[in-house]
Amino acid sequence: GQSLEQPSEVTAVEGAIVQINCTYQTSGFYGLSWYQQHDGGAPTFLSYNALDGLEETGRFSSFLSRSDSYGYLLLQELQMKDSASYFCVLISDRGSTLGRLYFGRGTQLTVWP
Amino acid sequence: NAGVTQTPKFQVLKTGQSMTLQCAQDMNHEYMSWYRQDPGMGLRLIHYSVGAGITDQGEVPNGYNVSRSTTEDFPLRLLSAAPSQTSVYFCASGTGTSGIVRGETQYFGPGTRLLVL
Repeated sequence: GQSLEQPSEVTAVEGAIVQINCTYQTSGFYGLSWYQQHDGGAPTFLSYNALDGLEETGRFSSFLSRSDSYGYLLLQELQMKDSASYFCVLISDRGSTLGRLYFGRGTQLTVWP
Repeated sequence: NAGVTQTPKFQVLKTGQSMTLQCAQDMNHEYMSWYRQDPGMGLRLIHYSVGAGITDQGEVPNGYNVSRSTTEDFPLRLLSAAPSQTSVYFCASGTGTSGIVRGETQYFGPGTRLLVL
């Protein structure tokens, strides 16, 4: 099966850097994605890692280590608008569940002024 | 280009009532899916469709039916509502399974908040 663990809450101040960790157990996956959700609204895509290493998109970076079953989302130069929930998401590569998205429980990031 | 739209935004049902949650997309996406999100939880897949006329079950399909008669629409039917179905329901669309496994984004609708009394 697929399961993901991430911290429930993280807090930081404006301008700081924060890292949201995600550990997972998987029977097989294509990659790890990250989604952002503001105030229970529509989740929006942030990044995707298929291979080990760092992917950078502006202020956001995401990292994957398959050998450690671990990934993280790094947010730099935090802004108030970054206050949201962040979900790590596995994309299954197993037979009948191929292509399914499995979401972690989400990490609520609060950015203080 | 409206993206993914969902109606209604809010709904209150009594136990045993049935209803249909509507989802439509105007991006000509083949892949559409329904998720539910419970408090403090991630999204869980209910049903999905890889194209018109093709549907399949996700992780939590019991109590829900779907159909896909057109590319644009993917309604979710609650057959006999139960309090356990109180949740926020999100519809999503994407180009297809091949896009998903390459990490392409899934586009989510704004959600339908359902309360079953």
